[in-house]
Amino acid sequence: AQSVTQPDIHITVSEGASLELRCNYSYGATPYLFWYVQSPGQGLQLLLKYFSGDTLVQGIKGFEAEFKRSQSSFNLRKPSVHWSDAAEYFCAVGGNDMRFGAGTRLTVKP
Amino acid sequence: ETGVTQSPTHLIKTRGQQVTLRCSSQSGHNTVSWYQQALGQGPQFIFQYYREEENGRGNFPPRFSGLQFPNYSSELNVNALELDDSALYLCASSFRDWSGGAEDEQFFGPGTRLTVL
Repeated sequence: AQSVTQPDIHITVSEGASLELRCNYSYGATPYLFWYVQSPGQGLQLLLKYFSGDTLVQGIKGFEAEFKRSQSSFNLRKPSVHWSDAAEYFCAVGGNDMRFGAGTRLTVKP
Repeated sequence: ETGVTQSPTHLIKTRGQQVTLRCSSQSGHNTVSWYQQALGQGPQFIFQYYREEENGRGNFPPRFSGLQFPNYSSELNVNALELDDSALYLCASSFRDWSGGAEDEQFFGPGTRLTVL
């Protein structure tokens, strides 16, 4: 069965610092992988996705993620965090029945 | 291009009541998925509708049911509401080609916040 683990419940980084959010997945075949962001009281916005091809994926707002099949990981990165990046981040796997991780809450210190 | 819309925004019901939530899919999309997001958790897949039929279901009891209409809009119905049904309900639309092939990415609506007292 497919599943997603986000090991970090809450991360705090200083504005301007780099960011890496971890995601590990379990899936029988080549997965479709996604990162979404959710601001308080809002729906989900897609940051980036991986279906196939280049394992380094560029997304919106300066985010990128790298698919590593050997580690079953799809970590999200950003070189320099902005205060507006504070939100909840969800990693997801699958197609029809997308499975989400529990989320990582990002706090940005001034 | 109109995005995914959901109504109502907020809803308060009491235990045992029934509720209907509505979703209008994005223009050009033919598939609708529903998710339940409890406070502090990730969304959980309820079911998906494609060509007006259920096309996959998560681990939710039969009192969660749905419909998809010819214009691809959708309803989520929940009967015999329980306190644990309190959550944000998210609708997502996408396009799947008519051969039933791979689905394109899902676009989410803002959600309906349901509170069961």
